[in-house]
Amino acid sequence: DTGVSQDPRHKITKRGQNVTFRCDPISEHNRLYWYRQTLGQGPEFLTYFQNEAQLEKSRLLSDRFSAERPKGSFSTLEIQRTEQGDSAMYLCASSLALGASGGYQETQYFGPGTRLLVL
Amino acid sequence: KQEVTQIPAALSVPEGENLVLNCSFTDSAIYNLQWFRQDPGKGLTSLLLIQSSQREQTSGRLNASLDKSSGRSTLYIAASQPGDSATYLCAVKRSGSARQLTFGSGTQLTVLP
Repeated sequence: DTGVSQDPRHKITKRGQNVTFRCDPISEHNRLYWYRQTLGQGPEFLTYFQNEAQLEKSRLLSDRFSAERPKGSFSTLEIQRTEQGDSAMYLCASSLALGASGGYQETQYFGPGTRLLVL
Repeated sequence: KQEVTQIPAALSVPEGENLVLNCSFTDSAIYNLQWFRQDPGKGLTSLLLIQSSQREQTSGRLNASLDKSSGRSTLYIAASQPGDSATYLCAVKRSGSARQLTFGSGTQLTVLP
């Protein structure tokens, strides 16, 4: 399978625990994005990486959230001291953006998501 | 701040009907607009991408149009089938340094057999 994969697909945790999600992008893609989606809403941007550099973070990404993309390959998203409001689907997407025209043609490919439930 | 609105929020049609889903956005300074499909509990599948310089894109029974100046896009689905039942999301990528997509809340489509 050459698509974007995410692990785990489902996570149930108790409030106050830490959780970590993993995303494996399409292998040649240089950009990786994290989004959060709550029921009945479209995904909301959290953060994105260009290769290994984290270039932008949303104000939604509180200091309890941290994301990494070591070596510009897979990425992890960690949530510390989870709260019930963190319950959502966490989606990862990757893309290949090339040169000056990369912005116009860039298509983001999404993984299946990790559904988090905080009790 | 870019805002994306999709109307209607839900739509139910009989099989075989042609239908139009609407998307509007407030800031016309965009690189592109994408339409996605999302099945319940699943990730997003990209259907069509329209660059800001383009007016429309077609793939099979799907046709998406873009009117950047008025901040509108439509997704036309011809001869709908029960397998088309899903939530359809539009997303815009703003011009400039921002790289993320801004999504609408989606239209939940049900095609009845």
